[in-house]
Parts: sequence; C-alpha cells; structure tokens
Amino acid sequence: GAGVSQSPRYKVTKRGQDVALRCDPISGHVSLYWYRQALGQGPEFLTYFNYEAQQDKSGLPNDRFSAERPEGSISTLTIQRTEQRDSAMYRCASSPPRHSASGANVLTFGAGSRLTVL
Amino acid sequence: LAKTTQPISMDSYEGQEVNITCSHNNIATNDYITWYQQFPSQGPRFIIQGYKTKVTNEVASLFIPADRKSSTLSLPRVSLSDTAVYYCLVGDHSNYQLIWGAGTKLIIKP
Repeated sequence: GAGVSQSPRYKVTKRGQDVALRCDPISGHVSLYWYRQALGQGPEFLTYFNYEAQQDKSGLPNDRFSAERPEGSISTLTIQRTEQRDSAMYRCASSPPRHSASGANVLTFGAGSRLTVL
Repeated sequence: LAKTTQPISMDSYEGQEVNITCSHNNIATNDYITWYQQFPSQGPRFIIQGYKTKVTNEVASLFIPADRKSSTLSLPRVSLSDTAVYYCLVGDHSNYQLIWGAGTKLIIKP
C-alpha cells in the first residue's frame, strides 16, 4: 500500500481479554518494527522483523506479548490476558532494505493503534 | 548505541528560523544522524538524515560539525504548522533498535 496501515485504530477491552493488533507495511519494505509510545515520550522498541524472521524481541515487556509476520508482510502483535498497564499507543513502522553505503534505516510509521484496557 | 540529548522544549514565532541542537558524544564512525517530526495523534515522520557537514532538503537543513558530536536541525521561516515534537536519532543500517528520547517539543506562536 501507499503507507503503513494499522488496525484497529482504537481498541477498548476489558482486563484479561486477548487483543491482536495488525500492521500492513509498505510493499517491498522488508524490515518491520513494533513500538509502544506513552504520552509525552518517544517510541519504545518492542520487536523487529527482517522479512518473516523475528530477529529481536528483547523489547517485549513479558511473555504475554508476542508478534508474528508469517509471510514477511503483514504482522500481528498479540497481547494475552491484557492488564491496565498495557494501555498505550502501539505503533508499527517499516523500512526498505538498507546497505552499508547508504545511510541508516529510515522508518515510515503507521498511525498507530490506541489500546485502552479497562 | 549512541544516546542523544536535546532540549525538552523550545518556543519561537512564525516567520523565524528555528535551530534545534542535539548532542551525541558517543557517535560511532558508521552512524548517521536522523531527525523525525511528530504531530499529535500521528506517528513520527522522517525529516532529514546526514553524516557530516551540511544536508539540505525542501523541509530543513542539518548542520553537522567536523567532530560529529552534535548536530543542528534548522527549520527556515517556521509556521504554526511546524508545532510538533522533533526527535534526533543516531545509528547505522544495522541499528534497528534505535533509542528514542523524549524529543524536543517545539511550539510556534503567532
């Protein structure tokens, strides 16, 4: 697509429910990132995919959080047994392949999914 | 990963030139400097990237001194719509886990 698409834009759920947040990156972007952003703060890294391989999940807060990108395109971030502290804006970003001679990764972000856990 | 330091907030007026400086004392040889802009309720958006000296595009200029321990984002003739948070990041193509600080909240007044 033309941009990074995230759905749902807003999700309100009750504590203990599972939620799945979807990210559709820009076509051809092999790298996909999930971030969480609290109000007034910069994005906090959660996990990173290169194609379908999850190369780093060190930022996931605990084992209730998981992510997948089975075909190297759309990705899903799943939060099981949600808690109130999980309430935040979850942002997905993607970037094209970069090579050592061509600078640093330039990320394109989606509009985010606002999760509210009651 | 190199950490960056930038002012928490800045104010300016329409039509002025605004310069936001970022410190990155531990920048590595392969690192590039990238700036993003974020409006409320939107994701960060790439503005400019540079390695050394000066880079200019249709939106901004980026000045990087020879020692590369700092960089300055310059926004010419700002308007109210430039009110946003500006983030400075340092890394290379292998740095997917970029460190995002709180950024600089820029407020433009009429």
